[in-house]
Parts: sequence; C-alpha cells; structure tokens
Amino acid sequence: SSELTQDPAVSVALGQTVRITCQGDILSKYYATWYQQKPGQAPLLVLYGDNTRPSGIPDRFSGSTSGNTGSLTIIGAQAEDEADYYCNSRDTSDHHLLFGGGTKLTVL
Amino acid sequence: EVQLVESGGGLAQPGGSLRLSCAASGFTLNNYWMTWVRQAPGKGLEWVANIKRDGSERYYVDSVKGRFTISRDNAKNSLYLQMNSLRVEDTAVYYCARGLGTTITVDFWGQGTLVTVSS
Repeated sequence: SSELTQDPAVSVALGQTVRITCQGDILSKYYATWYQQKPGQAPLLVLYGDNTRPSGIPDRFSGSTSGNTGSLTIIGAQAEDEADYYCNSRDTSDHHLLFGGGTKLTVL
Repeated sequence: EVQLVESGGGLAQPGGSLRLSCAASGFTLNNYWMTWVRQAPGKGLEWVANIKRDGSERYYVDSVKGRFTISRDNAKNSLYLQMNSLRVEDTAVYYCARGLGTTITVDFWGQGTLVTVSS
C-alpha cells in the first residue's frame, strides 16, 4: 500500500497564510481529501476533489495538487482554525483508504 | 439533520470480542458507502473497514483482516463492526462515517465510541 506524509506541526501568525502539505505517490492518481479535527471532536471534512469545499466551510480554505503533493492553504488564518489537519486518499487497493499522519496547526 | 451515533464501546480483555453499532438518521443509509475509522489515544486516524451500499463488497485494513467484520442492516439504518480476537493495539476511538455521494470518500463522521483492550 501507499503512504501519505505530512509535516507533524506548522504554525502561522493570526491573519497570515499557511500551507499544509501531503505527499504521496497515490496523489498523482487521486485528489487529496482534507479533514480538520479539534480536540475532543470528530473530524470535519473541509476539502475534497478538485478544491471543493462542503457547505459551511469558509472560503479561506482552498486546495491544490502538484505532482504527488496535495496542499491545503488557509488565507488569513483565524484562531478557530487551530486544529489537527489530516489528508486522505484512496489507496492503490482501490477501495482502501489512507490517512496522512496529521499536521498540528498552531495559530500564533 | 444527518446523525451517526456509535455505541458498544467499552473495556475488553485481549482475545475478547466487542460489537460496535452505528445508528444513522437524517439520510437514507442504503445510498451510501459506510466506513469505520479509528484513532488510538493521542495518535492519528486509521481507516479500518468499509462496506458498499448493498453490503456486497467489504474491505479491511490488513491489521484487522480475519478478526473484524463490517456489516450493515439498511432496513434498520445501522452499521456494525464485530471485533474478535482483540489486541491491546486495537485500543482506540472508533468512528462511524458516511461516504460522500456514491464514493468511498468520507464526508460525515459520528462522535465515536472508545474501545479499550486491556487485561
């Protein structure tokens, strides 16, 4: 099976822009999906497909893919964006799912 | 309102069994792939298993294959995870999750149920 690699931790100053990346060979075939998880809560879908946001997700969240790297960008990070972010994709075994190890985002 | 409510978690001994249930409401279960995802304490998310809309296809992560069984009862709007031969490393919060449209990508999660495997 494949792997998805994320930086363990990233920080951003309030109101600034931050990019969280997810690297894996499978991302050259499938889009990354992104989830936000705050302490004690279930994950929340924030991006999927070719940069699609579910209803209720602010437009400061956007996604992109380049080669085997998927990215989640937050333009104008807010205090409430502080959370763990996980990328996800289908695996080479087509109906299996993979998660990255997660990135802890700190908003300073 | 879409809701997924897990139950059945608790303390089990190594080698023991537990059956998790997930009650779905606010949508028609048989239109969606369903998935179990787990999260060990302080760790990341791990996909466990998923099941096709009609139950005809089931897939498992290698570490639970042969020990866990995912099933569903669309008439009862319920998803299940039978967990046998439990190991200490199965200790985690288990989340029930719904597929996005007709895909296996997860879009909505329950609040989870904690499974602790310890002697």
